[in-house]
Amino acid sequence: EAQVTQNPRYLITVTGKKLTVTCSQNMNHEYMSWYRQDPGLGLRQIYYSMNVEVTDKGDVPEGYKVSRKEKRNFPLILESPSPNQTSLYFCASSPERTGIYEQYFGPGTRLTVT
Amino acid sequence: AQSVTQLGSHVSVSEGALVLLRCNYSSSVPPYLFWYVQYPNQGLQLLLKYTTGATLVKGINGFEAEFKKSETSFHLTKPSAHMSDAAEYFCAVSFSNTGNQFYFGTGTSLTVIP
Repeated sequence: EAQVTQNPRYLITVTGKKLTVTCSQNMNHEYMSWYRQDPGLGLRQIYYSMNVEVTDKGDVPEGYKVSRKEKRNFPLILESPSPNQTSLYFCASSPERTGIYEQYFGPGTRLTVT
Repeated sequence: AQSVTQLGSHVSVSEGALVLLRCNYSSSVPPYLFWYVQYPNQGLQLLLKYTTGATLVKGINGFEAEFKKSETSFHLTKPSAHMSDAAEYFCAVSFSNTGNQFYFGTGTSLTVIP
């Protein structure tokens, strides 16, 4: 089944403890992106990638890192999480490099930082 | 900077009534415009999009939207609401000169009253 998977789906952690949220797609998509969703703020783009080894900042990249070493994987790294990073995170992928064809979203990862 | 504005965070309609969800954008270059829908506890899925060509675009589940450049709008409509349309709707924009970064609105929660 063609899909975007994220792990873990739920995570509760403490301030300062490094964590990684994985994202994987099995559709050979070029474009991948991370978003965070917060009540009243909608979705905000954190980072995106147009191809392997090509990543760029979105609207809210502070406190996050990403890497794209393989086409299918796009992990989101929080080196030192803080409570203001408590949010619902979505990974998305798209067939073309621009992402304007259609973005396919994963199921989301709910992160709580205490 | 806010690039897309959704008027009305909550909209309620009666079953069978017209659905109108509003979206305005700000851009000095041609925009790419999207409507995504999010059902409870799920990721987002594309309803419809405008990139070039015909300004009236039709999407899934009977929804359509019209790109009006003079009004910088991309409102979403459906002639007759169904109970299954209850969801969160997000307008999004990307720009022809960057094509890779996406800006989402804050979302409109649609309630359908039986």
